[in-house]
Amino acid sequence: AQSVTQLDSHVSVSEGTPVLLRCNYSSSYSPSLFWYVQHPNKGLQLLLKYTSAATLVKGINGFEAEFKKSETSFHLTKPSAHMSDAAEYFCVVSEVSHNRKLIWGLGTSLAVNP
Amino acid sequence: GAVVSQHPSRVICKSGTSVKIECRSLDFQATTMFWYRQFPKQSLMLMATSNEGSKATYEQGVEKDKFLINHASLTLSTLTVTSAHPEDSSFYICSVGTTSSYNEQFFGPGTRLTVL
Repeated sequence: AQSVTQLDSHVSVSEGTPVLLRCNYSSSYSPSLFWYVQHPNKGLQLLLKYTSAATLVKGINGFEAEFKKSETSFHLTKPSAHMSDAAEYFCVVSEVSHNRKLIWGLGTSLAVNP
Repeated sequence: GAVVSQHPSRVICKSGTSVKIECRSLDFQATTMFWYRQFPKQSLMLMATSNEGSKATYEQGVEKDKFLINHASLTLSTLTVTSAHPEDSSFYICSVGTTSSYNEQFFGPGTRLTVL
Protein backbone atom coordinates (compact mmCIF):
# COMPACT_ATOMS: atom_id res chain seq x y z
CA ALA A 1 0.00 0.00 0.00
CA GLN A 2 1.11 3.52 -0.68
CA SER A 3 1.41 6.21 1.96
CA VAL A 4 2.89 9.65 2.41
CA THR A 5 4.24 11.33 5.53
CA GLN A 6 4.84 15.04 5.90
CA LEU A 7 7.38 15.29 8.65
CA ASP A 8 6.45 18.76 9.89
CA SER A 9 2.96 19.97 10.61
CA HIS A 10 4.13 23.56 10.89
CA VAL A 11 7.16 25.41 9.54
CA SER A 12 8.02 29.02 10.23
CA VAL A 13 10.65 30.96 8.30
CA SER A 14 11.68 34.55 7.86
CA GLU A 15 11.10 36.33 4.59
CA GLY A 16 14.08 35.90 2.29
CA THR A 17 15.33 32.71 3.95
CA PRO A 18 15.16 29.20 2.44
CA VAL A 19 12.13 26.96 2.75
CA LEU A 20 12.27 23.21 3.30
CA LEU A 21 9.09 21.14 3.58
CA ARG A 22 9.77 17.47 4.09
CA CYS A 23 7.87 14.56 2.64
CA ASN A 24 8.54 10.82 2.71
CA TYR A 25 6.53 8.27 0.81
CA SER A 26 6.01 4.57 0.74
CA SER A 27 5.28 2.81 -2.52
CA SER A 28 5.68 -0.63 -3.98
CA TYR A 29 5.84 0.78 -7.47
CA SER A 30 7.33 3.78 -9.20
CA PRO A 31 5.10 6.53 -7.86
CA SER A 32 3.90 9.80 -9.23
CA LEU A 33 4.36 12.50 -6.61
CA PHE A 34 2.85 15.95 -6.33
CA TRP A 35 3.00 19.03 -4.18
CA TYR A 36 -0.13 21.13 -3.88
CA VAL A 37 -0.55 24.47 -2.15
CA GLN A 38 -3.74 25.78 -0.57
CA HIS A 39 -4.00 29.41 0.41
CA PRO A 40 -6.63 30.41 2.98
CA ASN A 41 -10.10 30.14 1.51
CA LYS A 42 -8.68 29.30 -1.89
CA GLY A 43 -8.64 26.20 -4.05
CA LEU A 44 -5.78 23.76 -4.39
CA GLN A 45 -3.04 24.67 -6.80
CA LEU A 46 -0.50 22.26 -8.25
CA LEU A 47 3.04 23.41 -7.47
CA LEU A 48 4.91 20.62 -9.21
CA LYS A 49 4.83 16.95 -10.05
CA TYR A 50 7.32 14.11 -10.37
CA THR A 51 6.61 11.74 -13.20
CA SER A 52 9.93 9.87 -13.54
CA ALA A 53 11.30 12.14 -16.26
CA ALA A 54 13.78 13.95 -14.01
CA THR A 55 14.56 13.63 -10.33
CA LEU A 56 14.82 17.39 -9.79
CA VAL A 57 11.48 18.96 -10.54
CA LYS A 58 10.95 22.67 -10.93
CA GLY A 59 7.56 24.12 -10.21
CA ILE A 60 5.82 27.43 -10.08
CA ASN A 61 6.77 30.40 -7.91
CA GLY A 62 10.37 29.29 -7.53
CA PHE A 63 9.63 26.00 -5.81
CA GLU A 64 11.39 22.78 -6.63
CA ALA A 65 11.53 19.25 -5.28
CA GLU A 66 13.98 16.40 -5.59
CA PHE A 67 12.90 12.79 -5.85
CA LYS A 68 15.29 10.57 -3.94
CA LYS A 69 14.39 6.93 -4.35
CA SER A 70 17.04 5.69 -1.93
CA GLU A 71 15.60 7.90 0.80
CA THR A 72 11.97 7.61 -0.38
CA SER A 73 11.75 11.38 -0.08
CA PHE A 74 10.30 14.22 -2.11
CA HIS A 75 11.16 17.35 -0.16
CA LEU A 76 9.97 20.75 -1.35
CA THR A 77 12.37 23.68 -1.32
CA LYS A 78 12.56 27.32 -2.24
CA PRO A 79 15.70 29.44 -1.97
CA SER A 80 14.03 32.56 -0.67
CA ALA A 81 10.63 32.73 1.03
CA HIS A 82 8.13 35.42 0.19
CA MET A 83 5.27 36.58 2.34
CA SER A 84 2.84 35.28 -0.26
CA ASP A 85 4.17 31.75 0.25
CA ALA A 86 2.36 31.48 3.58
CA ALA A 87 -0.13 28.68 3.02
CA GLU A 88 -0.85 24.99 3.58
CA TYR A 89 1.23 22.57 1.54
CA PHE A 90 0.27 18.99 0.73
CA CYS A 91 2.50 16.20 -0.51
CA VAL A 92 0.56 13.66 -2.54
CA VAL A 93 1.36 10.28 -4.06
CA SER A 94 -0.70 8.63 -6.73
CA GLU A 95 -1.99 5.15 -6.26
CA VAL A 96 -1.07 2.77 -9.01
CA SER A 97 -4.41 1.22 -9.64
CA HIS A 98 -7.32 1.52 -11.96
CA ASN A 99 -9.18 3.87 -9.65
CA ARG A 100 -6.48 6.56 -9.81
CA LYS A 101 -6.74 7.63 -6.20
CA LEU A 102 -4.43 10.19 -4.66
CA ILE A 103 -2.93 9.55 -1.24
CA TRP A 104 -2.63 12.80 0.73
CA GLY A 105 -0.21 13.85 3.41
CA LEU A 106 -1.60 15.65 6.44
CA GLY A 107 -0.22 18.97 5.27
CA THR A 108 2.42 21.44 6.42
CA SER A 109 1.44 24.93 7.39
CA LEU A 110 4.07 27.42 6.28
CA ALA A 111 4.32 30.74 8.07
CA VAL A 112 6.54 33.48 6.69
CA ASN A 113 7.61 36.18 9.12
CA PRO A 114 8.60 39.67 8.02
CA GLY B 1 -4.78 21.68 -17.21
CA ALA B 2 -8.51 21.27 -16.83
CA VAL B 3 -10.53 24.13 -15.42
CA VAL B 4 -12.99 23.03 -12.76
CA SER B 5 -15.74 25.09 -11.20
CA GLN B 6 -17.98 24.47 -8.22
CA HIS B 7 -21.28 26.00 -7.32
CA PRO B 8 -22.14 27.34 -4.86
CA SER B 9 -18.93 28.51 -3.25
CA ARG B 10 -20.67 28.87 0.09
CA VAL B 11 -23.98 27.59 1.40
CA ILE B 12 -25.70 27.84 4.74
CA CYS B 13 -28.68 25.64 5.41
CA LYS B 14 -30.89 24.49 8.24
CA SER B 15 -30.52 21.10 9.80
CA GLY B 16 -32.62 18.49 8.04
CA THR B 17 -32.55 20.08 4.61
CA SER B 18 -30.73 18.80 1.54
CA VAL B 19 -28.02 20.66 -0.30
CA LYS B 20 -26.75 20.08 -3.84
CA ILE B 21 -23.23 20.99 -4.90
CA GLU B 22 -22.29 21.10 -8.56
CA CYS B 23 -18.90 20.38 -10.02
CA ARG B 24 -18.26 21.30 -13.62
CA SER B 25 -15.35 20.53 -15.88
CA LEU B 26 -15.28 23.55 -18.16
CA ASP B 27 -12.79 22.47 -20.80
CA PHE B 28 -12.23 18.77 -20.33
CA GLN B 29 -14.43 15.73 -20.77
CA ALA B 30 -14.22 14.11 -17.39
CA THR B 31 -15.12 10.46 -17.24
CA THR B 32 -13.89 10.37 -13.66
CA MET B 33 -14.44 12.94 -10.95
CA PHE B 34 -13.60 12.77 -7.27
CA TRP B 35 -15.30 14.25 -4.23
CA TYR B 36 -13.30 15.18 -1.17
CA ARG B 37 -14.09 16.57 2.22
CA GLN B 38 -11.77 18.75 4.23
CA PHE B 39 -12.20 19.69 7.88
CA PRO B 40 -10.50 22.84 9.22
CA LYS B 41 -6.73 22.53 9.46
CA GLN B 42 -6.86 18.98 8.10
CA SER B 43 -6.00 17.16 4.93
CA LEU B 44 -8.38 16.09 2.20
CA MET B 45 -10.41 12.96 2.71
CA LEU B 46 -11.62 11.16 -0.39
CA MET B 47 -15.35 10.50 -0.16
CA ALA B 48 -16.10 8.90 -3.48
CA THR B 49 -15.07 8.37 -7.05
CA SER B 50 -17.66 9.41 -9.59
CA ASN B 51 -17.73 7.75 -12.99
CA GLU B 52 -19.80 9.13 -15.83
CA GLY B 53 -22.84 7.04 -16.52
CA SER B 54 -22.36 4.63 -13.64
CA LYS B 55 -22.71 4.48 -9.88
CA ALA B 56 -20.18 6.20 -7.73
CA THR B 57 -17.69 4.23 -5.68
CA TYR B 58 -17.72 5.30 -2.06
CA GLU B 59 -14.86 5.08 0.40
CA GLN B 60 -15.23 3.05 3.52
CA GLY B 61 -17.23 4.87 6.16
CA VAL B 62 -18.97 7.26 3.75
CA GLU B 63 -22.74 6.83 3.70
CA LYS B 64 -23.87 6.56 0.11
CA ASP B 65 -27.48 7.30 1.01
CA LYS B 66 -26.48 10.50 2.72
CA PHE B 67 -24.03 11.75 0.13
CA LEU B 68 -25.71 11.19 -3.21
CA ILE B 69 -23.48 11.53 -6.23
CA ASN B 70 -24.66 11.84 -9.79
CA HIS B 71 -22.35 12.02 -12.79
CA ALA B 72 -24.77 12.22 -15.67
CA SER B 73 -22.52 13.91 -18.20
CA LEU B 74 -18.86 14.31 -19.02
CA THR B 75 -18.85 17.84 -17.65
CA LEU B 76 -21.03 17.69 -14.57
CA SER B 77 -21.05 15.79 -11.31
CA THR B 78 -23.27 16.67 -8.36
CA LEU B 79 -23.02 15.89 -4.67
CA THR B 80 -26.22 16.09 -2.66
CA VAL B 81 -25.97 16.11 1.11
CA THR B 82 -29.31 14.75 2.25
CA SER B 83 -30.86 15.63 5.59
CA ALA B 84 -27.84 17.67 6.52
CA HIS B 85 -26.76 18.00 10.14
CA PRO B 86 -24.21 20.28 11.79
CA GLU B 87 -21.58 17.54 11.69
CA ASP B 88 -21.80 17.65 7.88
CA SER B 89 -20.46 21.18 7.93
CA SER B 90 -17.22 21.08 6.02
CA PHE B 91 -15.34 22.15 2.92
CA TYR B 92 -16.25 19.97 -0.05
CA ILE B 93 -13.88 19.82 -2.99
CA CYS B 94 -14.28 18.09 -6.31
CA SER B 95 -11.60 17.18 -8.80
CA VAL B 96 -11.37 15.96 -12.35
CA GLY B 97 -9.27 12.93 -13.06
CA THR B 98 -7.20 12.86 -16.21
CA THR B 99 -6.24 9.95 -18.38
CA SER B 100 -2.55 10.66 -17.97
CA SER B 101 -0.41 7.93 -16.53
CA TYR B 102 0.54 10.29 -13.72
CA ASN B 103 -2.95 10.25 -12.21
CA GLU B 104 -3.00 14.01 -12.12
CA GLN B 105 -6.19 15.64 -10.87
CA PHE B 106 -7.45 19.19 -11.27
CA PHE B 107 -9.37 20.68 -8.42
CA GLY B 108 -12.35 22.91 -8.08
CA PRO B 109 -12.28 25.89 -5.69
CA GLY B 110 -14.39 24.11 -3.09
CA THR B 111 -17.74 24.65 -1.44
CA ARG B 112 -18.05 25.70 2.17
CA LEU B 113 -21.14 24.08 3.73
CA THR B 114 -22.44 25.30 7.05
CA VAL B 115 -25.38 23.49 8.60
CA LEU B 116 -27.14 25.36 11.38
